[in-house]
Amino acid sequence: KAGVTQTPRYLIKTRGQQVTLSCSPISGHRSVSWYQQTPGQGLQFLFEYFSETQRNKGNFPGRFSGRQFSNSRSEMNVSTLELGDSALYLCASQLTGEETQYFGPGTRLLVL
Amino acid sequence: GEDVEQSLFLSVREGDSSVINCTYTDSSSTYLYWYKQEPGAGLQLLTYIFSNMDMKQDQRLTVLLNKKDKHLSLRIADTQTGDSAIYFCAERRSNDYKLSFGAGTTVTVRA
Repeated sequence: KAGVTQTPRYLIKTRGQQVTLSCSPISGHRSVSWYQQTPGQGLQFLFEYFSETQRNKGNFPGRFSGRQFSNSRSEMNVSTLELGDSALYLCASQLTGEETQYFGPGTRLLVL
Repeated sequence: GEDVEQSLFLSVREGDSSVINCTYTDSSSTYLYWYKQEPGAGLQLLTYIFSNMDMKQDQRLTVLLNKKDKHLSLRIADTQTGDSAIYFCAERRSNDYKLSFGAGTTVTVRA
């Protein structure tokens, strides 16, 4: 079974632009979570989606948004990019009734 | 402050055992996890333990949980060079899909 896939793997943007990242969960997994990893703040939870509904949200500004489609694929969007948004963005999927989240390889975003 | 704390660095000789420690503060944490991250990669789930367990063993990995002290440890037996990585401890409450991570412990295996 294929693992969690994320596209693109690397991205360079400039301040003020917006970006959309994509995550395809493991087949059959309906929960998708997003995390931001930076050297200064570590791993921080962004949001979690299940059946196209956001169930949990972390402490990030409204510039960070997401959505989930009927096939469980998820996207996250960051508008008006700031230098501090440079990070590794990780997506994880979870099967209903199981206790474990499986992570994708991440999208590394660099904001110049 | 941090909900989950870990020491930042560990150096171990190849063939020895590694012990990585973690403390957490949320007494309602139900699930505790260990993830491994190699350079340039995502997080690989190593193992996890329910809060009603004291110990879990999986091949070279042993997880010990002291719920009274909110202390979790991961022991890697016969540490190999391929075990060099960052190890993250994480907690999750029941009915909550958010993982709270520690800062990660960088394990360096020396010959």
